[in-house]
Parts: sequence; C-alpha cells; structure tokens
Amino acid sequence: DAGITQSPRHKVTETGTPVTLRCHQTENHRYMYWYRQDPGHGLRLIHYSYGVKDTDKGEVSDGYSVSRSKTEDFLLTLESATSSQTSVYFCAIRASGTGYNEQFFGPGTRLTVL
Amino acid sequence: GNSVTQMEGPVTLSEEAFLTINCTYTATGYPSLFWYVQYPGEGLQLLLKATKADDKGSNKGFEATYRKETTSFHLEKGSVQVSDSAVYFCALSVNTGNQFYFGTGTSLTVIP
Repeated sequence: DAGITQSPRHKVTETGTPVTLRCHQTENHRYMYWYRQDPGHGLRLIHYSYGVKDTDKGEVSDGYSVSRSKTEDFLLTLESATSSQTSVYFCAIRASGTGYNEQFFGPGTRLTVL
Repeated sequence: GNSVTQMEGPVTLSEEAFLTINCTYTATGYPSLFWYVQYPGEGLQLLLKATKADDKGSNKGFEATYRKETTSFHLEKGSVQVSDSAVYFCALSVNTGNQFYFGTGTSLTVIP
C-alpha cells in the first residue's frame, strides 16, 4: 500500500463548471501522476509532477491544469468541465529508491459531466 | 516512440484453464516491463515486472518473460480461478521511468 488517497471518489457536475480533484500521498514520493481511463484507450497520462511546483504535460493535457504546492498533494483542475472529460481519473506515484521504477495507483475518482 | 500493444478482449475462460494474454512493445532505449491488474471498482495493482531481457516476473501463479528478440512480455497462468477475473494491463517505462506507457487492457472473465 503506497498510502495514496483520492478525493472525491465520485462527482457529478455540469458542463462549464470548474472541478478540482485531489491526490494525497503519505510517503513523500517525488513523482506523482494523473491519468484518465476510458474504454478502448487504457490509461492516458494527463500531467505529472517531479517535485513541488515542478510539473509537465502528458499525452492528453488540453483542458486540464495541475498544481503541487507541497509534496503530499497533487491537484488536478478542470477549469471548465466538458462532457468529453467524463472519465475515471487515477492518481499514481512512482516508487522511490534504487532499482524501483514502478508506479502505484490510487483508488480512482469517477467524474461525470452532464 | 514508445507504445504497448496487447491482445483485444474480452477473454472468457473456464476455471482451471490456461491463460495467455499477449503483449508486445516498441521502445526507445531499454524499457522495464510490467503487468498490472485492475479488479472492478478499484485502481491498478502491480502484478509483476521485469527490468531486463530474459528476466521472468512472477506473482500469484502468473508469469511473464521479457523477450527482447520478439519485443514481447506475454502474461501466462497455468490454471485460472474465478478470482482472477479482472482487467489486465501491460505497461512499459523507459530510462528513468518518469513516464509509463500502457496498453488498452484485456478483460478476463473466468467462469466456474
């Protein structure tokens, strides 16, 4: 267990509203990631962070922004949600230490945009 | 570029049948390879991994061998159980492992 929690776990919102998803980790890992999971696409990387205030775009970053003001929290924001952003969102961390490069995942947030 | 291709699902097997889920990859550099499993309503869990050619990863009766010559990392299990019903994802990471590349997932249903 990598100590990853996500909140909220479920959210229904309307088109055009802002939405923020939170990922929290308790083990001080440097790297954190946000993915979305959609049928037929597997997992696609949205953004990732390699330290406090250090972030980079992934494959599907349009319409999303992220922030990391402290090591344990990585926030994903949809500035103006659209129906195409209905998905399941997963946060992940990369295990630290020599020889470790696997990722561990949170439980996910199911977001529905009406 | 980097990518993973895994067999289309869904796969339905009877209990105690042999399982193979094919995975092939394209990578720059020397990738590490992974299989993740996702049970309904949950996040992905690391099932096994291999970090260099000819390594065999194994866990819970599942095995996969890193084949550089065929760029493959096929998942196998000799006798599946109903509890193995899940979605399986093949993935790779390259270099420092900053980014992962996932296949689209293969859904497995095991019937009694």
